[in-house]
Amino acid sequence: QLQLQESGPGLVKPSETLSLTCTVSGGSISSSSYYWGWIRQPPGKGLEWIGSIYYSGSTYYNPSLKSRVTISVDTSKNQFSLKLSSVTAADTAVYYCARDLSGYSGYEPYGYWGQGTLVTVSS
Amino acid sequence: DIQMTQSPSSLSASVGDRVTITCRASQGISNSLAWYQQKPGKAPKLLLYAASRLESGVPSRFSGSGSGTDYTLTISSLQPEDFATYYCQQYYSTPLFGQGTKLEIK
Repeated sequence: QLQLQESGPGLVKPSETLSLTCTVSGGSISSSSYYWGWIRQPPGKGLEWIGSIYYSGSTYYNPSLKSRVTISVDTSKNQFSLKLSSVTAADTAVYYCARDLSGYSGYEPYGYWGQGTLVTVSS
Repeated sequence: DIQMTQSPSSLSASVGDRVTITCRASQGISNSLAWYQQKPGKAPKLLLYAASRLESGVPSRFSGSGSGTDYTLTISSLQPEDFATYYCQQYYSTPLFGQGTKLEIK
């Protein structure tokens, strides 16, 4: 059974860089042809797609965040990561990592999700 | 950019009711539409993709339809565990979620 688990600081100061890692268990990132993504949800609000990465390192980003986002993959650790720079209070959200359905494109729906981690941006 | 308009934003219904939620895209999305269910404090759960394909393990009371710009999620007979928030998501271009529909018990 595939499982994803987000980890990282729960509190980040304004203007700093938010860094999260998603650890995948029950399957190998490098041996399966899927896209791995990040989605966020501000408290009490809707879902926003951040971006996705293929096991080979190919990435897709939301244009609204692209200038601040970097998604990377470490197949040796079976992890992928999110970095979001120059954060403000508007970046406070629950951040989810997820795996897509088919690996057909970087935009496919997500069938497996982590439980999510709340990141608060505050001084 | 494609915009998604989901309606209604909230809905009250009773167990056994048939309910329909609608999502409208600002341009055609060629059935590249998914529906998710989210319960408080939990990650979203994929229900349907490609507008009408049921994800494995999802009860058959959930169904999806539509084409072009207009899509619907129908729950044929509400069960107690179905009270949740539902989101549509287009993936024809940069993925974008609808605003959500909170389904509450009447």
